[in-house]
Amino acid sequence: DAGITQSPRHKVTETGTPVTLRCHQTENHRYMYWYRQDPGHGLRLIHYSYGVKDTDKGEVSDGYSVSRSKTEDFLLTLESATSSQTSVYFCAISGDRVTDSPLHFGNGTRLTVT
Amino acid sequence: GIQVEQSPPDLILQEGANSTLRCNFSDSVNNLQWFHQNPWGQLINLFYIPSGTKQNGRLSATTVATERYSLLYISSSQTTDSGVYFCAVAGTGTASKLTFGTGTRLQVTL
Repeated sequence: DAGITQSPRHKVTETGTPVTLRCHQTENHRYMYWYRQDPGHGLRLIHYSYGVKDTDKGEVSDGYSVSRSKTEDFLLTLESATSSQTSVYFCAISGDRVTDSPLHFGNGTRLTVT
Repeated sequence: GIQVEQSPPDLILQEGANSTLRCNFSDSVNNLQWFHQNPWGQLINLFYIPSGTKQNGRLSATTVATERYSLLYISSSQTTDSGVYFCAVAGTGTASKLTFGTGTRLQVTL
């Protein structure tokens, strides 16, 4: 199994509060990704990183920010959580661009915004 | 953006049966990957298969990029094969992003 740890695994928070999800990898992979999974929408890319301090937006980036200060850690922040951000969030890693290497997922974080 | 369609959306099999899952995509791709999400929610990479055929035990996959489809074959299915199967593609010009299909939900019964 790829060494990917997401924390927390479950979180319940109130509307309007900030939330940070953490992804930690031990594979020294260059690329890291945050996806959200919702019924009827499948997996959608929020943000990704191609190196320390190098990030870019995915298809559903509004309301989210990310940071990567170390190769092994990729943080996803919801500045002011809304009910529409209730979802399961997956972190993923790849050694190179996904055209050249497989993608591996963490076990997910289930976030509920009340 | 590129569209990814999977069929069938749902499939119920008896243990021991074989099945074929299909993934169609709307444009040229640089890569295609297959994933299995088990009933506990874990996503496992099954195949990294931009073209050609690969086999891994009872599972095999074939991608025909020129005709814009990929097939996942499951032989002698087991209850542990249950879950959702996703294909995902990287369109040309989107080297760092995968677009996922909505999946095929497979249930294998005794």
